[in-house]
Order: sequence, then C-alpha cells, then structure tokens
Amino acid sequence: DTGVSQNPRHKITKRGQNVTFRCDPISEHNRLYWYRQTLGQGPEFLTYFQNEAQLEKSRLLSDRFSAERPKGSFSTLEIQRTEQGDSAMYLCASSLARYRGGEQYFGPGTRLTVT
Amino acid sequence: AQTVTQSQPEMSVQEAETVTLSCTYDTSESDYYLFWYKQPPSRQMILVIRQEAYKQQNATENRFSVNFQKAAKSFSLKISDSQLGDAAMYFCAYRSGDNNDMRFGAGTRLTVKP
Repeated sequence: DTGVSQNPRHKITKRGQNVTFRCDPISEHNRLYWYRQTLGQGPEFLTYFQNEAQLEKSRLLSDRFSAERPKGSFSTLEIQRTEQGDSAMYLCASSLARYRGGEQYFGPGTRLTVT
Repeated sequence: AQTVTQSQPEMSVQEAETVTLSCTYDTSESDYYLFWYKQPPSRQMILVIRQEAYKQQNATENRFSVNFQKAAKSFSLKISDSQLGDAAMYFCAYRSGDNNDMRFGAGTRLTVKP
C-alpha cells in the first residue's frame, strides 16, 4: 500500500492555458474525491467518483473543470482556460465504499499557480 | 447547508502539556460523522480521530480525545502530553451519513513550544 499519489506536485501555468492533474488512489479503494484548498482555508469538495461513475459535483466545479476516472482506477482533473483564481492546492482522496463513516485517505496534493 | 466553524486560527502549547482545539458545526441531520484531520507543513493530511454521531461515548486515540456535545453541536479535540511532532494545521470536518462530500473548517494552526 503506497498511499494516494498525485502528479505533478507543483504546476505553474500562464492564464488561459489548460492543465491536467492525475491522482492514483489506494489500489483497492473504489471511491475517489477531489478537493480544492486555498491558502488559509480548509479543503472544499469538488467532485466524487464511485468506481468510474462521477456521482456528485459541487457547484464550485465550473464548466472549465472536468474530471474523469475512465477505468475506475486513476483519475484526472482538467482545468481549461485557467484563471488566477484557480491558483490553489488540489487534493485527491480515496476511500472504501464498504464503510459509511470510512476514512478518506488524502494525497499530497498538486499546487497550481496561475500567473 | 452544513457548516463547520473553527474559531481559533492559531493555538500554541508547551511541550508535554494539554491543549484543546474547538469546533462547532451546524446541521439539521441526525446521521453524520465528525473528523479531526492533521496537516503537517508541506505534508499530506492524515486522520487523527473520528466520531459517529450516534455514539454517545467520546472517541479516543492514544493522546487524542474528543469532547462531543451533540446538543450543542460542538466537537473539540484534546491533545494530551503534546509533542513537537503535533505541530500542524488541524481541520475539523463533517460528513453526512448519506453524502460523500466532507465539509471542513478553516483550520487551527497548532504550535508546540519546546
């Protein structure tokens, strides 16, 4: 069990560019979550997958954001036409559906800076 | 909508002493879970302790314990015998029994003084 991994760890991009982040959950976990964390704040929920199905999306997830989990394993989060307000830490977490109150295991995050 | 409030942006404690971090939440639901997560500087968030709302007994994990006051919607974290490695941001989080999105507070930065 190597934990949740995220790549890249840091991304600097110019406004208007597209970026894509990857998350590899713990191998047996069927639930995967994306959060956004801005400086000095707690994480905010963006979206959640159970296996390959995207079951919940926050209103924070604008049309410029899209997430996929094509084979129920790794997930990608793409941001199109980035804006300076997108600068944040993007966290991925995974869990087992078996336990309703189960722990979400977090990855180290991808820090996005939009210049 | 459920909200989580951490009213202490920063706290400090002397090594080996006890500190309590406060958290209040707002919900109309009866089925939910509460969590305390620790986020060390530049490191990933890890779960410290979890409390099921239906359980009256306060959760305990080694030096960490909670004071869960359901009627008051309060969920404080007590850290006993504080260690230098306890220095981190601590986030209180709420999750409904039926939903999967977790609501986090703004966090409390804990400093441990040697």
